[in-house]
Amino acid sequence: SAVISQKPSRDICQRGTSLTIQCQVDSQVTMMFWYRQQPGQSLTLIATANQGSEATYESGFVIDKFPISRPNLTFSTLTVSNMSPEDSSIYLCSASVETQYFGPGTRLLVL
Amino acid sequence: AQKVTQAQTEISVVEKEDVTLDCVYETRDTTYYLFWYKQPPSGELVFLIRRNSFDEQNEISGRYSWNFQKSTSSFNFTITASQVVDSAVYFCALSEAAYGSSNTGKLIFGQGTTLQVKP
Repeated sequence: SAVISQKPSRDICQRGTSLTIQCQVDSQVTMMFWYRQQPGQSLTLIATANQGSEATYESGFVIDKFPISRPNLTFSTLTVSNMSPEDSSIYLCSASVETQYFGPGTRLLVL
Repeated sequence: AQKVTQAQTEISVVEKEDVTLDCVYETRDTTYYLFWYKQPPSGELVFLIRRNSFDEQNEISGRYSWNFQKSTSSFNFTITASQVVDSAVYFCALSEAAYGSSNTGKLIFGQGTTLQVKP
């Protein structure tokens, strides 16, 4: 199994600003993922973050809006850039260790 | 394309009733994984089960059981003698196998079923 932590757990931000979310895994993993869960909705994959390569973004998500870093096998960051109220969501990271475990999520509210 | 359908948006039962949450999936892969996650009101996503496409054996874990049928592309989840603490949103998800490993790739989630268990 894997234990995943995220920081911050929640934040309230002003439109036009950026927020970087950190994700830490307690073991080395090759594959990490970032998901978005809009209010009352299911989870949608933003991108796959593999160490040593550029993140792979899903349709509808672009690097300029959601830049991702993956500097080592236990850590990743997701930045939500130039935020608008539509970015208000829960952002979750996950790590693939045979199964997929999720962090506790970051609740973002953009005013 | 891969797709997961949870047709039941909301289910309400009275405590001690049995309840089954339905999940139907679509994929062209021969190797894939199916998952169930629980999301209580606190928001974290709790892993319940992973099943690979080659293992159709049903599984039971306490009050939880899962019925995997490839013939109907279904992976249903039953809670026996439901309790108030079972109230949550339950997600079914599908994943391709990550190339060259037993790890799972990206998850495709169903829309979720909100289960309310009343005392």
